[in-house]
Amino acid sequence: EIVLTQSPGTLSVSPGERATLSCRASQSVDSKYLAWYQQKPGQAPRVLIYAASSRATGIPDRFSGSGSGTDFTLTINRLEPEDFAVYYCQQYGNSKWTFGQGTKVEIK
Amino acid sequence: QLVESGGGLVQPGGSLRLSCAAYGFTFSSQSMTWVRQAPGKGPEWVSYVSGSSTSISYADSVKGRFTISRDNAKNSLYLQMNSLRAEDTAVYYCVSRRSGWYDFDIWGQGTMVIVSS
Repeated sequence: EIVLTQSPGTLSVSPGERATLSCRASQSVDSKYLAWYQQKPGQAPRVLIYAASSRATGIPDRFSGSGSGTDFTLTINRLEPEDFAVYYCQQYGNSKWTFGQGTKVEIK
Repeated sequence: QLVESGGGLVQPGGSLRLSCAAYGFTFSSQSMTWVRQAPGKGPEWVSYVSGSSTSISYADSVKGRFTISRDNAKNSLYLQMNSLRAEDTAVYYCVSRRSGWYDFDIWGQGTMVIVSS
């Protein structure tokens, strides 16, 4: 099973600044199998990025994904108040999906 | 839209059947999954079924205890959960897989399952 490790666990950022979130896989992941989600308290997760770098419908262009192999990054430019949430990466492999443990982006 | 039902309180060793009703899209052509999230934890994928039910998979943590199924005529997805354990306590989400890709694009609001004596 591929394990996804996200860092940092918590990221303190001021509104308007940039946040850079990391997702490292225990073995190589095909980029088309890597996605990022945002979750706010009391809500279901929402997909932001799929296939490592494709924005889902309605997602602002301040969200961007990059990376390949075992290292993937979610970048949030010019943080807005509504962006403070928990973010998860997810991968697919061997007919199974796994999620990372999450990065909480909090207001500094 | 996806609407789950069937959650509740059940004793360890008991059974529960979750249902999910789909609206507003061609259900029969969508692969579907169940994802759960224990309190304070990240999401955990549970099970997957293709549109025609020809492909089914389970997480190791539920294999042999849970059964996923669907009824395309009723636009419905199900999860039969047997031999429930305390560690199965979670919000269970019905989720569709994006057609042609490997992420989950439509999520239900979730239904809570509590396994406790």
